[in-house]
Amino acid sequence: GAVVSQHPSRVICKSGTSVKIECRSLDFQATTMFWYRQFPKKSLMLMATSNEGSKATYEQGVEKDKFLINHASLTLSTLTVTSAHPEDSSFYICSARGVTGTDLNTEAFFGQGTRLTVV
Amino acid sequence: AQSVTQLDSQVPVFEEAPVELRCNYSSSVSVYLFWYVQYPNQGLQLLLKYLSGSTLVKGINGFEAEFNKSQTSFHLRKPSVHISDTAEYFCAVSGDYGQNFVFGPGTRLSVLP
Repeated sequence: GAVVSQHPSRVICKSGTSVKIECRSLDFQATTMFWYRQFPKKSLMLMATSNEGSKATYEQGVEKDKFLINHASLTLSTLTVTSAHPEDSSFYICSARGVTGTDLNTEAFFGQGTRLTVV
Repeated sequence: AQSVTQLDSQVPVFEEAPVELRCNYSSSVSVYLFWYVQYPNQGLQLLLKYLSGSTLVKGINGFEAEFNKSQTSFHLRKPSVHISDTAEYFCAVSGDYGQNFVFGPGTRLSVLP
């Protein structure tokens, strides 16, 4: 099956610094990638949708200047949490869909998630 | 707009007993339906999906789900659960190509010895 690798799995950073999270589709081309945030014992909250080569579409209430998303290639998307604060501590998960019209587009493949702790 | 409801936030069940996790959705267009499982501090793993065809879908780990269009439901079932099935289960709906997945709030399945 299609594999999505998310790195790092855990990161601790100081308040005020920036953190970059990578999401890679290892064996398929991902035209669309999604970034989610998950609070403890809660469902996934969509933060933004990114299509390769274009600007990400952010959900209402998500600060695009704080959560920078780049999808520069068909296999890599990055989420950068800028000037992180303790309230940004959360579990972040990416997912990817393959090229439109292929079987890899009919489902989303998820990364392992990144546990971000801001101290 | 699409939405997903999972009426049971927690489902405790004894080992080897059957279980059903309920999922209802609303959508104005044709949908794809999914069940994902999440173990602690991990991403989501696909259990099964319905795209078209037979309404009874079989997935991994002995799970199955039945798509009922008239009741807009996609309930997940397993005839005999194991301790290792303890996890969070999410029902999701997606529309046409490239659209986002809309997730339900999740159901915590706890399998008791």
